[in-house]
Amino acid sequence: DTAVSQTPKYLVTQMGNDKSIKCEQNLGHDTMYWYKQDSKKFLKIMFSYNNKELIINETVPNRFSPKSPDKAHLNLHINSLELGDSAVYFCASSQVETAYEQYFGPGTRLTVT
Amino acid sequence: QKEVEQNSGPLSVPEGAIASLNCTYSDRGSQSFFWYRQYSGKSPELIMSIYSNGDKEDGRFTAQLNKASQYVSLLIRDSQPSDSATYLCAGSTNAGKSTFGDGTTLTVKP
Repeated sequence: DTAVSQTPKYLVTQMGNDKSIKCEQNLGHDTMYWYKQDSKKFLKIMFSYNNKELIINETVPNRFSPKSPDKAHLNLHINSLELGDSAVYFCASSQVETAYEQYFGPGTRLTVT
Repeated sequence: QKEVEQNSGPLSVPEGAIASLNCTYSDRGSQSFFWYRQYSGKSPELIMSIYSNGDKEDGRFTAQLNKASQYVSLLIRDSQPSDSATYLCAGSTNAGKSTFGDGTTLTVKP
């Protein structure tokens, strides 16, 4: 039983395309996140949703748009992909009751050519 | 200044030794602190949480928190080659904003 799942695992696309990454958690958590981990392995928070409401929106180009249809799902849509968007994107979930201990999905490796 | 800073690695210890990983944070709004382990090509995995000053032990792992000094550490006793990974320190505010350090890469040599 996968706790936090992401699809796809790998995504190779060309500059200028639009792509989406999906995330689902079956932990019953109320908070979900998107992180970007670049080639230097630095993990940077992009967005956070709590019960479908956006609560954290870090300095991210507006080409990135998160959507949370329900508290178990958080998707990330990226418009007009650029070379610099190449990275591993991690979804994570947590809940207030455990002080936001986070559980990560397996990651989506995005390569923009 | 980064919000969460970790001692720059890489850190190499022999098998059976104690590995000491350190972290300082600047946001006094951070209330909860975590250590995550990330193997190469894998996602971060939570290994320790600590919320109050003092030590917290879990098996071979001990986390220490000193909020006055804004300092968090992780000790790994009897280090094993399977402990070789990158360790990420993170702090979280009560609003759920988490900030991660850059990570320290640990290598345990047999």
